[in-house]
Amino acid sequence: DAKTTQPPSMDCAEGRAANLPCNHSTISGNEYVYWYRQIHSQGPQYIIHGLKNNETNEMASLIITEDRKSSTLILPHATLRDTAVYYCIVTHNTNAGKSTFGDGTTLTVKP
Amino acid sequence: GAGVSQSPSNKVTEKGKDVELRCDPISGHTALYWYRQSLGQGLEFLIYFQGNSAPDKSGLPSDRFSAERTGGSVSTLTIQRTQQEDSAVYLCASSRDRTRGEQYFGPGTRLTVT
Repeated sequence: DAKTTQPPSMDCAEGRAANLPCNHSTISGNEYVYWYRQIHSQGPQYIIHGLKNNETNEMASLIITEDRKSSTLILPHATLRDTAVYYCIVTHNTNAGKSTFGDGTTLTVKP
Repeated sequence: GAGVSQSPSNKVTEKGKDVELRCDPISGHTALYWYRQSLGQGLEFLIYFQGNSAPDKSGLPSDRFSAERTGGSVSTLTIQRTQQEDSAVYLCASSRDRTRGEQYFGPGTRLTVT
């Protein structure tokens, strides 16, 4: 699986959009980008995933660059409850069980 | 519906003892995963089950660790002769099948080896 690089921490004001970047410059053509988050003392929670097209669901939007070497997770209106560690993972869908969760980005939403 | 459940939520054991950790996946999910998370660290893959196929044990850190999955549902992770470095949160996840990467995690079991 391709390696990902994320900033260790970010702050965001409550009510504003949180944009979390992820670099995955070695991604191959059949690898997907997945995002999870982990709120303190809980198990990780799946957020969204995509291959090449931008994706949106009730939680977030995922923007993948045309060359697929980076992506951005967007939380459109961050709340205090969105404070968590956000993990970006790149994996083959058929090998998703061996996904490597790195250190992620600690997002702190401030009032 | 019910999510992934794990038991116990906390386990304190003495060094050298064996422990068993249990995971109940989401009903109908054929893929099941075990991870370990040490304090302040990311998740470390341990083992993966898919249906009736032989499990992928490539992440198990030593032969003291083993896991089984009975009837394609409940899974037990066993750690023999526990060591202090085994102290961590053990997380279980399930997904619909191996081609669907969305994993649904349980709350974890916090293991403390004294």
